[in-house]
Amino acid sequence: KAGVTQTPRYLIKTRGQQVTLSCSPISGHRSVSWYQQTPGQGLQFLFEYFSETQRNKGNFPGRFSGRQFSNSRSEMNVSTLELGDSALYLCASSLRWGALETQYFGPGTRLLVL
Amino acid sequence: AQKVTQAQTEISVVEKEDVTLDCVYETRDTTYYLFWYKQPPSGELVFLIRRNSFDEQNEISGRYSWNFQKSTSSFNFTITASQVVDSAVYFCALSEPNAGNNRKLIWGLGTSLAVNP
Repeated sequence: KAGVTQTPRYLIKTRGQQVTLSCSPISGHRSVSWYQQTPGQGLQFLFEYFSETQRNKGNFPGRFSGRQFSNSRSEMNVSTLELGDSALYLCASSLRWGALETQYFGPGTRLLVL
Repeated sequence: AQKVTQAQTEISVVEKEDVTLDCVYETRDTTYYLFWYKQPPSGELVFLIRRNSFDEQNEISGRYSWNFQKSTSSFNFTITASQVVDSAVYFCALSEPNAGNNRKLIWGLGTSLAVNP
């Protein structure tokens, strides 16, 4: 079974631009979560989607948004990029949503904001 | 407050040594899950194990073993006869349901393990 895939793998943007990251979950998985990983803050939860609905959200500003499509693929958007948004963005999928589900992660998208 | 502490920031061992990675957690819930993930230099987080709060049995998988002790709120991970391919950052995480089964996954800051030949 193919794992979680994320595109693009690397991205360089400048301040003020916006970016869209894509995630395809493991086949049959209907929940997708997004995380931001930085050396200073570690792994931080952004949001979780299930059946095209956002089920849970972390403490990030409204510049960070996401959506999920009917085939469970998900996109994450960051508008008005700031230098501090430079990070590894990880997507994870699970069969169902919720705290007791095991998440399987993709390789991540490395975003550099200049 | 819920918290996961991985006190060891970096560990360096020589191949074939045994190494234990510590994880201590804090929670007020009786129902929760604990996880270990491995993050090699490629960046992808690899799921290693999940343990629920009602199952204190230790687990062994090849060279990997896990020791879960609720009395000390610890979920330690041991690699026996370490290999260079074990070099990675290892994360311990605590997952407990909020109201409505919302996910609340709390991560430790990770332990960077370097296994030298």
